[in-house]
Amino acid sequence: AQSVTQLDSHVSVSEGTPVLLRCNYSSSYSPSLFWYVQHPNKGLQLLLKYTSAATLVKGINGFEAEFKKSETSFHLTKPSAHMSDAAEYFCVVSDQGADGLTFGKGTHLIIQP
Amino acid sequence: DTGVSQNPRHKITKRGQNVTFRCDPISEHNRLYWYRQTLGQGPEFLTYFQNEAQLEKSRLLSDRFSAERPKGSFSTLEIQRTEQGDSAMYLCASSFGTRWIGYTFGSGTRLTVV
Repeated sequence: AQSVTQLDSHVSVSEGTPVLLRCNYSSSYSPSLFWYVQHPNKGLQLLLKYTSAATLVKGINGFEAEFKKSETSFHLTKPSAHMSDAAEYFCVVSDQGADGLTFGKGTHLIIQP
Repeated sequence: DTGVSQNPRHKITKRGQNVTFRCDPISEHNRLYWYRQTLGQGPEFLTYFQNEAQLEKSRLLSDRFSAERPKGSFSTLEIQRTEQGDSAMYLCASSFGTRWIGYTFGSGTRLTVV
């Protein structure tokens, strides 16, 4: 069975400082891992995905994530936060053979001016 | 191509009424998924289609929920005899191929049952 734990429900950073959103996963098989972002009143947008190639994955808008199998983690980072990054972020896992995605509960990212 | 389209954007209904939502996927996508998102939670997988075949429906929340994709293009999600607990955002997503690709989500239909 697959599951995802996002370790922080809210993260607040100042504009221009680094962002770290933490995610741990549980998977029976070789997983695919994703980060999605949801801005208010907008659809979920794919930030990046890991599908068993390079462990450091680069996504859109300067975000990246590192797959660490030994730690079962897939943390999302960005070197310098922008005000436009304020949104809800979801870590997502999909097991091999699974039909649907399993989402974490989300991390609300707040950017302070 | 304007992405995944969902209608209506909002629906308010009285308890006990039936509601139907529509999803138009990206035209070349053969897979279509339905998710439900309640307040403060991540989306929860409900069902999916490959072309017109519904390949997984055991995760539908109850027998009041049903989905169709009659010609392998648009899909509908129906909830019969709505309950207040059905109030949520219903999301549709589509993809071409397997999970490796990642899905494109629509903006959702927000259902409020009063």
